Amino acid sequence: RKEVEQDPGPFNVPEGATVAFNCTYSNSASQSFFWYRQDCRKEPKLLMSVYSSGNEDGRFTAQLNRASQYISLLIRDSKLSDSATYLCVVNPGGSARQLTFGSGTQLTVLP
Amino acid sequence: GAVVSQHPSWVICKSGTSVKIECRSLDFQATTMFWYRQFPKQSLMLMATSNEGSKATYEQGVEKDKFLINHASLTLSTLTVTSAHPEDSSFYICSAPTTLAGYMNNEQFFGPGTRLTVL
Repeated sequence: RKEVEQDPGPFNVPEGATVAFNCTYSNSASQSFFWYRQDCRKEPKLLMSVYSSGNEDGRFTAQLNRASQYISLLIRDSKLSDSATYLCVVNPGGSARQLTFGSGTQLTVLP
Repeated sequence: GAVVSQHPSWVICKSGTSVKIECRSLDFQATTMFWYRQFPKQSLMLMATSNEGSKATYEQGVEKDKFLINHASLTLSTLTVTSAHPEDSSFYICSAPTTLAGYMNNEQFFGPGTRLTVL
């Protein structure tokens, strides 16, 4: 089983749609959780951290369920510029501060 | 914000040659940097952890004699792909946890990546 698993996608949605991505992680001791965005042939960029109480940043809402080891990302009112690959990322803990990446979910927002 | 640079951004080389990739933290010191590799349509895979002043820690399956890592200063780590072969063609990305105030302890900043093509 992969350490971080995501919806395989791709997701093709019209502008204005709401889209949700899911992610599960296998290491119950994981400490930090993130969603990164990666554009084609570019480096990943932090979209938002994910907190236990859930958090929102504009059109983006992230949820964490530690009991189910499940993370989600909701994007409301999709824009064309939201088209990218979304990476679920987990810090498994320990002093090394390494990150474990999911394989990513590709989103295309259509005009 | 914290900036990490990589050089070169792309390189094409012949099979059997060695390629050096530099990763620099521009406005903060990084005692630890990470090197990742990403093949097309796959996720980033951690190759090794680069530690300033000591040996790098390699992930299982990554050959330390093939991927030489040197972290000679608090702002520079280098990855040398020795005797590169076509199967080493990939997107190599480094990252560094930032020590700047105002950022989460585990927030990492990524370099722009180096696209290596071995002919």
